[in-house]
Amino acid sequence: EDQVTQSPEALRLQEGESSSLNCSYTVSGLRGLFWYRQDPGKGPEFLFTLYSAGEEKEKERLKATLTKKESFLHITAPKPEDSATYLCAVRGTDSWGKLQFGAGTQVVVTP
Amino acid sequence: GAVVSQHPSWVICKSGTSVKIECRSLDFQATTMFWYRQFPKQSLMLMATSNEGSKATYEQGVEKDKFLINHASLTLSTLTVTSAHPEDSSFYICSARVGGVGTDTQYFGPGTRLTVL
Repeated sequence: EDQVTQSPEALRLQEGESSSLNCSYTVSGLRGLFWYRQDPGKGPEFLFTLYSAGEEKEKERLKATLTKKESFLHITAPKPEDSATYLCAVRGTDSWGKLQFGAGTQVVVTP
Repeated sequence: GAVVSQHPSWVICKSGTSVKIECRSLDFQATTMFWYRQFPKQSLMLMATSNEGSKATYEQGVEKDKFLINHASLTLSTLTVTSAHPEDSSFYICSARVGGVGTDTQYFGPGTRLTVL
């Protein structure tokens, strides 16, 4: 069974204080690791898809990396508008396209 | 591109009534859509996979007679919560699958907040 564990559960940062979120996973044949951002009361917003170990993707202050066992979402010099819950999800070979989500990391960036 | 809408954004109903939630892909065709529910401070729980022109596939523990899913066209899937009760109150979110097999991505709608009194 595919499993995703995110850490920490919550993260409080000062504006400009860079940090990383962790997503550890076990999956039968990775067919994609996904990062989403979710604001309160809204649906998740797609950020990145990573397919193979060593792959990296960037978008503004966010950078996602992938190894065979985990993914990191690095937030560089965050701003208050980066406050959100960040969700990690995996899709395995036998998942029929379904995603297995982690519990998320709630990030609060204070001015 | 890849915009998914949901209607209504929130609904309040009395216990015992049925509620229909619509999920539309606005600028693309989606052969597969997914329905999730989310409780406060919890992650998304997949309820069912909706395929255009065929019956939905429900996850273990989800009552298919209570949560009716219809995917009548390539841009519309509906979730009907039948005989709703207070325990059905939740945040319901749909997603649509975009892209080829193995490289597809799910894009999510804004969600529907259901409150059953």
